[in-house]
Amino acid sequence: EAQVTQNPRYLITVTGKKLTVTCSQNMNHEYMSWYRQDPGLGLRQIYYSMNVEVTDKGDVPEGYKVSRKEKRNFPLILESPSPNQTSLYFCASSLQGPLHEQYFGPGTRLTVT
Amino acid sequence: AQSVTQPDIHITVSEGASLELRCNYSYGATPYLFWYVQSPGQGLQLLLKYFSGDTLVQGIKGFEAEFKRSQSSFNLRKPSVHWSDAAEYFCAVGGNTDKLIFGTGTRLQVFP
Repeated sequence: EAQVTQNPRYLITVTGKKLTVTCSQNMNHEYMSWYRQDPGLGLRQIYYSMNVEVTDKGDVPEGYKVSRKEKRNFPLILESPSPNQTSLYFCASSLQGPLHEQYFGPGTRLTVT
Repeated sequence: AQSVTQPDIHITVSEGASLELRCNYSYGATPYLFWYVQSPGQGLQLLLKYFSGDTLVQGIKGFEAEFKRSQSSFNLRKPSVHWSDAAEYFCAVGGNTDKLIFGTGTRLQVFP
């Protein structure tokens, strides 16, 4: 089944404790992206990757890192999480870019205390 | 600046009634327009998109949207809503950049 998977689905952590949210797609997509969803703010893009080894900042990249060493994986890294990073995070992928249909993962709900 | 406005935060309709969700955009070049739907507890799914050509586009689940350049709008419609349509709907605009700008979403509630 074609899908985007994220792990973990739920995470509660403390300020400053490094964490990684994994994202994997099995559709051989070139483009991958991370979004955060907050009430009243909709989806905001954190980072995106047009293909392997190429990543770029989205609209809200502060406090986040990503890597794209393989086509299928695009982990999101929070080196030192803070409470303002409490949010619902979505990974998405598409064939070649954001104008192609994006397939979204199920989301990761992160709480930073 | 590029932006998308969804003026209705929350809409409630009765099952079987017609639906129109509003979307206005601001974009300096030719816009590419999308509607995505987010069912409770799930990721987003593409409903439909407009790139060019016929300004009335058909999507999945019986939805359609009309592009009106003069009004900078791309409203989503459905003639008869089903209870399973209860979800959050996002309009998005993109173009000659690597980014897609999403609106803040409209939550649809359907009463039996």
